[in-house]
Amino acid sequence: DAGVIQSPRHEVTEMGQEVTLRCKPISGHNSLFWYRQTMMRGLELLIYFNNNVPIDDSGMPEDRFSAKMPNASFSTLKIQPSEPRDSAVYFCASSFDGLGDEKLFFGSGTQLSVL
Amino acid sequence: SQQGEEDPQALSIQEGENATMNCSYKTSINNLQWYRQNSGRGLVHLILIRSNEREKHSGRLRVTLDTSKKSSSLLITASRAADTASYFCATAGNTPLVFGKGTRLSVIA
Repeated sequence: DAGVIQSPRHEVTEMGQEVTLRCKPISGHNSLFWYRQTMMRGLELLIYFNNNVPIDDSGMPEDRFSAKMPNASFSTLKIQPSEPRDSAVYFCASSFDGLGDEKLFFGSGTQLSVL
Repeated sequence: SQQGEEDPQALSIQEGENATMNCSYKTSINNLQWYRQNSGRGLVHLILIRSNEREKHSGRLRVTLDTSKKSSSLLITASRAADTASYFCATAGNTPLVFGKGTRLSVIA
């Protein structure tokens, strides 16, 4: 298996622009997570899906952030409009079980820079 | 919050020495996991220890868990330059994993 695949690896955009991050989880995994990593705040859970349904989005910082999982093999995280404080590394991860009894498999992340 | 907190924040050792990292957390857990992150990469799972276990080994890794003190430690024996990375503990209850801010380990050849 290729593992969790994220795209793009790097994204540089200007403030106010829409940003879309993409994730393909490992086939057969039923839970998908979006995390954001910064030096100041560490690794924060933004949202997680179980069987394509959003279960907990309380970590999504603002209405500017939205996430979808239209099918078991694809998810997007969208920021519209983007702001400089959104600059971070965004990770997607998947697992067999969303409630922490299984290990997470992480993608390589998307490094987002908002100028 | 179940967030784990690693200690120390940074650790620098010579190749061949042992490295010990600690993790403290606040609430009851089902299990605790350790992950490694190399620079510019995603996190990689190292080991999982369940709340009813006290010690677990995997190769050069040894993890202990003390639920009465709400703490865990990760020991890497005979460290190598390739062990240079950030190490995170993550706690699991009835919610998804919550990660600490990590320990940055530098192993000097």
